[in-house]
Amino acid sequence: GAGVSQTPSNKVTEKGKYVELRCDPISGHTALYWYRQSLGQGPEFLIYFQGTGAADDSGLPNDRFFAVRPEGSVSTLKIQRTERGDSAVYLCASSLTKAAESYNEQFFGPGTRLTVL
Amino acid sequence: AQSVTQLGSHVSVSEGALVLLRCNYSSSVPPYLFWYVQYPNQGLQLLLKYTTGATLVKGINGFEAEFKKSETSFHLTKPSAHMSDAAEYFCAVRGRGLKTIFGAGTRLFVKA
Repeated sequence: GAGVSQTPSNKVTEKGKYVELRCDPISGHTALYWYRQSLGQGPEFLIYFQGTGAADDSGLPNDRFFAVRPEGSVSTLKIQRTERGDSAVYLCASSLTKAAESYNEQFFGPGTRLTVL
Repeated sequence: AQSVTQLGSHVSVSEGALVLLRCNYSSSVPPYLFWYVQYPNQGLQLLLKYTTGATLVKGINGFEAEFKKSETSFHLTKPSAHMSDAAEYFCAVRGRGLKTIFGAGTRLFVKA
């Protein structure tokens, strides 16, 4: 079946602009995660959703970053007033997890490369 | 809170040699531990995981890792490196909930 997809694959924007990054999880996966990966670094946790609600958004760096998942499937990461330091690859993952204490593998998308000029 | 330290940002081995990638973690609760691999221009792929039970876990492509609670370590090994193993490897830890913390990664180079 289809994996996690992310659009766009590349996004170039100017400092101060607003961007939206989209993630389509694997069908039926209840948990969805956003990470940011800067060059030479590991993925940095941003937020995860269980269904429609953000279960943990402690990784969002500041109030310019916001994510939604209104119907419990597709998610959008929104960044306002972009800064050059926001340039990174934004990764999305999903898992089948229904209970916080159970293990389920996270399946990662290919990422969106965001460049802020 | 959880954290991960991967010792060595780059490791170089000869083809056929032992691969050892080091990972130490910190967790306030019994952790779930993971190793992921990222090949150039590809997404992250799970290599193996430790949840509970047997402390030596086997993964794909001949990799294995051992959970040592007393050393707070979860080192990744493979007896004999192949050229195709060249990639970036990430150790990760998860405590309660689904928040997963990744290490900075170790790039493995395999010399012919």
